[in-house]
Amino acid sequence: AQSVDQPDAHVTLSEGASLELRCSYSYSAAPYLFWYVQYPGQSLQFLLKYITGDTVVKGTKGFEAEFRKSNSSFNLKKSPAHWSDSAKYFCALFIASSSFSKLVFGQGTSLSVVP
Amino acid sequence: GPKVLQIPSHQIIDMGQMVTLNCDPVSNHLYFYWYKQILGQQMEFLVNFYNGKVMEKSKLFKDQFSVERPDGSYFTLKIQPTALEDSAVYFCASSSGLSAETLYFGSGTRLTVL
Repeated sequence: AQSVDQPDAHVTLSEGASLELRCSYSYSAAPYLFWYVQYPGQSLQFLLKYITGDTVVKGTKGFEAEFRKSNSSFNLKKSPAHWSDSAKYFCALFIASSSFSKLVFGQGTSLSVVP
Repeated sequence: GPKVLQIPSHQIIDMGQMVTLNCDPVSNHLYFYWYKQILGQQMEFLVNFYNGKVMEKSKLFKDQFSVERPDGSYFTLKIQPTALEDSAVYFCASSSGLSAETLYFGSGTRLTVL
């Protein structure tokens, strides 16, 4: 079965610190992995994705993520963090066949960056 | 980036009534999705729609749910009849292809069933 786990429901850190949000996945095939961000009352905004190739992918808003096949992880990173990064972050696994596709999301991690 | 529009942003209805949620996807996109999110929690996949057909649906996509996109107009999610547990924010998304194409999400419709 395919699934995504974000073990940290809430993360709080100080502005200027480094942030790393954890994501692990379970999937029998080569994974395509995404990160989205959701600001309060808004929709999901695409940050970055890993398809193949370089295991460190860079996205919008200064974020990057590292794919590690050895431990099935795709952690999101940014340094330094800014108060405007406070939001909920979702990691997702892209599932596709010849006839359909979908994103399977993790539970999300709420990030609070405090001054 | 590409915009997906959802109408209305809020809808309040009585249990048992019918409701239709409307989505205007990105203009050149061919694949459409509905997701359900309760109280800012996890995004749950409902359905994937392409070329006039449901391609994949989850167990959350109950018999009371239906989707269509007549003549390339709005992509709609209809719930008939509604139940209390249908209260949630429903997000529409679209993509241009199947091969790990980015899904672009609308701003959501908050549905409250009383």
